[in-house]
Amino acid sequence: DARVTQTPRDKVTEMGQEVTMRCQPILGHNTVFWYRQTMMQGLELLAYFRNRAPLDDSGMPKDRFSAEMPDATLATLKIQPSEPRDSAVYFCASGSWGGRLASYNEQFFGPGTRLTVL
Amino acid sequence: QKEVEQDPGPLSVPEGAIVSLNCTYSNSAFQYFMWYRQYSRKGPELLMYTYSSGNKEDGRFTAQVDKSSKYISLFIRDSQPSDSATYLCAMRGQGAQKLVFGQGTRLTINP
Repeated sequence: DARVTQTPRDKVTEMGQEVTMRCQPILGHNTVFWYRQTMMQGLELLAYFRNRAPLDDSGMPKDRFSAEMPDATLATLKIQPSEPRDSAVYFCASGSWGGRLASYNEQFFGPGTRLTVL
Repeated sequence: QKEVEQDPGPLSVPEGAIVSLNCTYSNSAFQYFMWYRQYSRKGPELLMYTYSSGNKEDGRFTAQVDKSSKYISLFIRDSQPSDSATYLCAMRGQGAQKLVFGQGTRLTINP
């Protein structure tokens, strides 16, 4: 049963600390998305990659956030330094652009990382 | 104003009722319309998708798209307590991979 995995599931940290969230996309998927979900804003796209190359990170505060894909099986999202307003659930999703399901390009979401910055 | 508007609810209905969930949008370039269901402490999962205008039915679920009004709907017939979740609409343009999501409507079906 292929799934997107994310670690950690929960993270509590203090303001100013570095936070790293990890995502393992579904094997064979060539596109990875990072989203942030809050009650006020809903689900917002932060960045996405295709074939490990960043395509769009316009939704990400660049002074403190960074996203990378060191290899095809790992995507990371880092926040340094973290602030209380970063408290949210961060989701990773993967998909197969141009593949068999290209007609609607379903995105498969991971379970999320719930971040609390005190 | 957001590109996609969705009433966050919450919406509470008795078991067996017909549920109607809706989104409006402003971008006429949107061609693909999806409904995602999200259970508590889980990631969203795709429930249904529709291309362009029209209806699509899958069991107790029906998705409708009216591009002339920029309005999409999801109907749930014979609602069950297991349908209690947050429902998010999402859409994208032709050739685009980015999805634009609505706020999500929190739905509770009471036994």
